[in-house]
Amino acid sequence: GENVEQHPSTLSVQEGDSAVIKCTYSDSASNYFPWYKQELGKGPQLIIDIRSNVGEKKDQRIAVTLNKTAKHFSLHITETQPEDSAVYFCAAQMNRDDKIIFGKGTRLHILP
Amino acid sequence: GAVVSQHPSWVICKSGTSVKIECRSLDFQATTMFWYRQFPKQSLMLMATSNEGSKATYEQGVEKDKFLINHASLTLSTLTVTSAHPEDSSFYICSAVEASSHEQFFGPGTRLTVL
Repeated sequence: GENVEQHPSTLSVQEGDSAVIKCTYSDSASNYFPWYKQELGKGPQLIIDIRSNVGEKKDQRIAVTLNKTAKHFSLHITETQPEDSAVYFCAAQMNRDDKIIFGKGTRLHILP
Repeated sequence: GAVVSQHPSWVICKSGTSVKIECRSLDFQATTMFWYRQFPKQSLMLMATSNEGSKATYEQGVEKDKFLINHASLTLSTLTVTSAHPEDSSFYICSAVEASSHEQFFGPGTRLTVL
């Protein structure tokens, strides 16, 4: 089955700097790659997603890149703000209505 | 936007008792719902897939007799933890797939503590 690896497990960046989280997946049949933000005691919240036929997608300060050949995808957050502090999960699915296989998560700390 | 609710948001029970957790899609119909479990500082792990009107499909290693799932309507799925033990203490999260758009939405989670 699908396996998603995520790095780093913890990331601290100065406010205003950029943060990058990287993931790899194992199943070439996966076609949909969402990213979730989870705050303490809450359910995950979808922040951006990308499909396998797209190489890059951007939404304001957040961007995601996908290298389908290498089975790599990454999340980029620019101009980080204190409210970006949270746990971020990458994930892979066959389609967006399928079960979600999550990475282990990255705890992002934005330092003042 | 589409909203998924869970009830209760937290529950404390004694070892050996059963606990029912509800997952509702408030403003859309969900043919499929998923149940996940999340231990502290860990990722979400899929427990089972719940389809309306049919038996749930459980992931490997998840005991179907211990975690009873019922998807009786297009807006409600329930997870019952039977004979709960302290090792079942966890954060249980559901997600629901909107029938028309196929988008998936998460509930806020239920914190279960078994004493």
